[in-house]
Amino acid sequence: QSALTQPPSASGSPGQSVTISCTGTSSDVGAYNYVSWYQHHPGKAPKLMIYEVTKRPSGVPDRFSGSKSGNTASLTVSGLQAEDEADYYCSSYAGVTVFGGGTKLTVL
Amino acid sequence: EVQLVQSGAEVKKPGESLTISCKASGYSFTNYWISWVRQMPGKGLEWMGRIDPSDSYPNYSPSFQGHVTISADKSISTAYLQWSSLKASDTAMYYCARHFGRDGMDVWGQGTTVTVSS
Repeated sequence: QSALTQPPSASGSPGQSVTISCTGTSSDVGAYNYVSWYQHHPGKAPKLMIYEVTKRPSGVPDRFSGSKSGNTASLTVSGLQAEDEADYYCSSYAGVTVFGGGTKLTVL
Repeated sequence: EVQLVQSGAEVKKPGESLTISCKASGYSFTNYWISWVRQMPGKGLEWMGRIDPSDSYPNYSPSFQGHVTISADKSISTAYLQWSSLKASDTAMYYCARHFGRDGMDVWGQGTTVTVSS
């Protein structure tokens, strides 16, 4: 099971939108609607932002949204805020769980 | 309050054994899988494996199969991650996390730092 592919970095200015991609295969991302996204600030525990491709847990701002097309899932952060600066990881479940390599989001 | 509380930081020598724990509270322990996730220094998250506390059946990532053992004791709502012979490359932060369904992990422990050095 190979790690999912994410860009190492992404950036945007406050108020802008940024999209982070997560590419897998037809055996993981493309096979099921089981893609999650996590926000990870250094020194803290990761936080679930999106699950089952598009669903937001209670308390997660609707500025965060998820989508999927074929073997690629995406996380879009709209209206960027300074506190959104963090590492973001996607994961896919297909019997076992696999994470992406992570994307460092910088708010300029 | 739903929470996972992990055991404290460990400093060990290569070849030693180690078990770290993850105690659940605030919910029915047997209703949710628990996963373990590794983060090596400066690196990303890696899924190690999970356990179904209802029957203690583990499922491992191929990358970690045979290197660690995941177990659970439902009588005390605690999951464990065990090494029989540590290596320096096991130095990392380890998180436990509760699965919200099959997919997302919605509750995380605070992490346990393991340092393996001679």
